[in-house]
Amino acid sequence: QSALTQPPSASGSPGQSVTISCTGTSSDVGGYNYVSWYQQHPGKAPKLMIYEVSKRPSGVPDRFSGSKSGNTASLTVSGLQAEDEADYYCSSYAGSNNLGVFGTGTKVTVL
Amino acid sequence: EVQLVQSGAEVKKPGESLRISCKGSGYSFTSYWISWVRQMPGKGLEWMGRIDPSDSYTNYSPSFQGHVTISADKSISTAYLQWSSLKASDTAMYYCASGSSADYWGQGTLVTVSS
Repeated sequence: QSALTQPPSASGSPGQSVTISCTGTSSDVGGYNYVSWYQQHPGKAPKLMIYEVSKRPSGVPDRFSGSKSGNTASLTVSGLQAEDEADYYCSSYAGSNNLGVFGTGTKVTVL
Repeated sequence: EVQLVQSGAEVKKPGESLRISCKGSGYSFTSYWISWVRQMPGKGLEWMGRIDPSDSYTNYSPSFQGHVTISADKSISTAYLQWSSLKASDTAMYYCASGSSADYWGQGTLVTVSS
């Protein structure tokens, strides 16, 4: 199972929006509505931000939103804040008895 | 409060064996799979394998099959990741995760393998 493709970096000024893409295939992203997004600050464990394409866990600000079109999922962070600067990883279900696959990761910089 | 608490950092030599742990609390340990994730220095996340604590059924990524063993003891709400013969390339941070969408993560265990 190959890693999902994400851009290595993305950036925006405080208050602006940034969108990160996550491209897979019809065997993972395109085949199921089970895409998750994780935020990881340096030296910290990943944190779930979005699950099942567009659902937010309790406590995650509504500035974070997810969507999917075909084989590409996206995470949008609106109203960028300094604390949003982190690495972001997507992950997709890829069928039963398959662990799923992570994306390559995107470093978001708040300018 | 759901918590996954992992064992502490380890420094080992190549060829040595190791078992690290992940103890769950604040939820029904047998309700969700426990997954293990590797993060090599400066690199991304990789799913290694997972276990259903209710019956110890396991799935492994082909990349890790045969090199690591995942187990669990539901009586003490603890999952394990073990190696029988470490390599320098096993140097990494290892995380456990649980929940229907890997909602909850342990703090990570740093494993350093060096002669």
